[in-house]
Amino acid sequence: NFMLTQPHSVSESPGKTVTLSCTRSSGSIASNYVQWYQQRPGSSPIIVIYDDNQRPSGIPDRFSGSIDSSSNSASLTISGLKTEDEADYYCQSYDSTNYWVFGGGTKLTVL
Amino acid sequence: EVQLVESGGGLVKPGGSLRLSCAASGFTFSDFDMSWVRQAPGKGLEWVSSIRSRGGYINHSDSLKGRFTISRDNSKNSLYLQMNSLTVEDTAVYYCARRYYDWLFQRNHWYFDHWGRGSLVTVSS
Repeated sequence: NFMLTQPHSVSESPGKTVTLSCTRSSGSIASNYVQWYQQRPGSSPIIVIYDDNQRPSGIPDRFSGSIDSSSNSASLTISGLKTEDEADYYCQSYDSTNYWVFGGGTKLTVL
Repeated sequence: EVQLVESGGGLVKPGGSLRLSCAASGFTFSDFDMSWVRQAPGKGLEWVSSIRSRGGYINHSDSLKGRFTISRDNSKNSLYLQMNSLTVEDTAVYYCARRYYDWLFQRNHWYFDHWGRGSLVTVSS
């Protein structure tokens, strides 16, 4: 099994662009799709990016995802930051034994 | 509207057992794979268990050491999690989550498109 490592916290100002990272410990990041969830305080998670870079309907195009094989990591980029984007963000993938793997989460502060 | 409503949480002593339920509505429950995901207080998300739509394939996180069992009753639109030999480390909000199925391409995706509000399990003496 592998692990997904995320920075504990990130802060940025409204209107700016922020990129959250998710690094896979072993095996190629490109081997299995990466998803991203947003969890606001007191709420259940919602999906914001799936299959590395796909946005579900209803998610604004300010949210985008990508993977980088050179750093073996995935990224979630949020542009035009709004105060409502302040939340915890979790990356998630899966392994060859059908186990779901979550990253530890990044707390995004918009100030 | 898709709804997932967990129940059965509460306070239990270490070594005790608890059974969580998740009542599903607003979709054809028997068509979807389902999972349990938990979140300890102030911590991140942790996958617990998954079960296929017809119940034929089940897997659990290795960290559970065989103490938890997932099951479902498609006739009752319900998902369950039997938790035994509970420890304080099992204290968490337990979410029921639906795996997304793409009807156009007839395949499952590896993400959860709907989550319940969660049920809090507190293990304490």
